[in-house]
Amino acid sequence: QVTLKESGPALVKPTQTLTLTCTFSGFSLSTTGVRVGWIRQPPGKALEWLARIDWDDDKFYSTSLQTRLTISKDTSKNQVVLTMTNMDSVDTATYYCARIRESGAATWFDPWGQGTLVTVSS
Amino acid sequence: QTVVTQEPSFSVSPGGTVTLTCDLSSGSVSTGYYPSWYQQTPGQAPRTLIYSTNIRSSGVPDRFSGSILGNKAALTITGAQADDEADYYCVLYMGGGTYVFGTGTKVTVL
Repeated sequence: QVTLKESGPALVKPTQTLTLTCTFSGFSLSTTGVRVGWIRQPPGKALEWLARIDWDDDKFYSTSLQTRLTISKDTSKNQVVLTMTNMDSVDTATYYCARIRESGAATWFDPWGQGTLVTVSS
Repeated sequence: QTVVTQEPSFSVSPGGTVTLTCDLSSGSVSTGYYPSWYQQTPGQAPRTLIYSTNIRSSGVPDRFSGSILGNKAALTITGAQADDEADYYCVLYMGGGTYVFGTGTKVTVL
């Protein structure tokens, strides 16, 4: 059974750096073809894709946020870490991680973690 | 910047049919964008319904179907049920390892 769970601070101050951890089970990021992504959702708003990391350590970022994001993995701990610098109130959101599955050239997000709400406020 | 637009809301009667669409600002949606669809109920994480345009995820009822309609990706609910009331999001794969989520559609069943 594949599960993912996000963890990190519930509250960060403006200008601080946010560090979120996705701890997963049921698969390994050292296995060829395995990928993990991060997605966020501000309260009452749409989902937004943030970043993806692959088994071979390839990394991909949202164009609009790429200067602020860093994604990394710790294969031994079954964890993926996302950092976002210079946090602002507009970054208040629920942050989700998800395994990215593949079939041929198609990829999709499944399953998702439960999400963690991060509020940016002084 | 690429924008993927969905209808803000739809209302459907129980047992009725509704088709949601996923429109790409920069052109037509084709199977090469590998559209996927997700259902989200309040307070819950999204759940995968459809991937690679029209393949139902495991356990998804066959009243959900995906397709390309004209130049858009589409999700059709045939025989809507009360527990289909939710927000629905499409995702397009833009290449180069990147994705864009749609703006989401709120479906009300009444």
